[in-house]
Amino acid sequence: TQLLEQSPQFLSIQEGENLTVYCNSSSVFSSLQWYRQEPGEGPVLLVTVVTGGEVKKLKRLTFQFGDARKDSSLHITAAQPGDTGLYLCAGQGGSNYKLTFGKGTLLTVNP
Amino acid sequence: GAVVSQHPSRVICKSGTSVKIECRSLDFQATTMFWYRQFPKQSLMLMATSNEGSKATYEQGVEKDKFLINHASLTLSTLTVTSAHPEDSSFYICSARRVMNTEAFFGQGTRLTVV
Repeated sequence: TQLLEQSPQFLSIQEGENLTVYCNSSSVFSSLQWYRQEPGEGPVLLVTVVTGGEVKKLKRLTFQFGDARKDSSLHITAAQPGDTGLYLCAGQGGSNYKLTFGKGTLLTVNP
Repeated sequence: GAVVSQHPSRVICKSGTSVKIECRSLDFQATTMFWYRQFPKQSLMLMATSNEGSKATYEQGVEKDKFLINHASLTLSTLTVTSAHPEDSSFYICSARRVMNTEAFFGQGTRLTVV
């Protein structure tokens, strides 16, 4: 069974601060996806990383896939209240393209 | 991006009744659809994987007779919660994977409340 450890589980910061969310596993994934979910809605895909060592940027969000494709990080620069939400990492591997989700990071950015 | 529509978004039902939730891929064909359950402030728990035209594969601990899944076409999968009980109250979310594509896109979720 593939497991993804996501940390921290809860994060409350002030507007303008930086933060990093981590996803770690002992398993290798063919790809890793990051989602953001707001209450009462489904997750929205932010990015997919596929290649070991890959770095992708989405405005103030920077995503990195570990060289061994076992871990990933999400860094947010100058967080804003609109960044508040549940951030989920999900690794894809094995047959049927099943996603293994981390436990999620509930981010609150206070104005 | 690909659009996945889930219906209804909210449903309240009486204990003992059955509820059907639909998941449709609106602008693409989905060979595989996934059904998840999510508790408040927690991550998604995979319940089952359904492939068009074949039986769903259920995760360990998920009762297949209670959560009936049908994937009759490349654009529609349904989850029926049979003989619902209050403990089945939860947020149910589907996702769909495009043919020849690894990315999965999520529906907006269904809030089920069993009273």
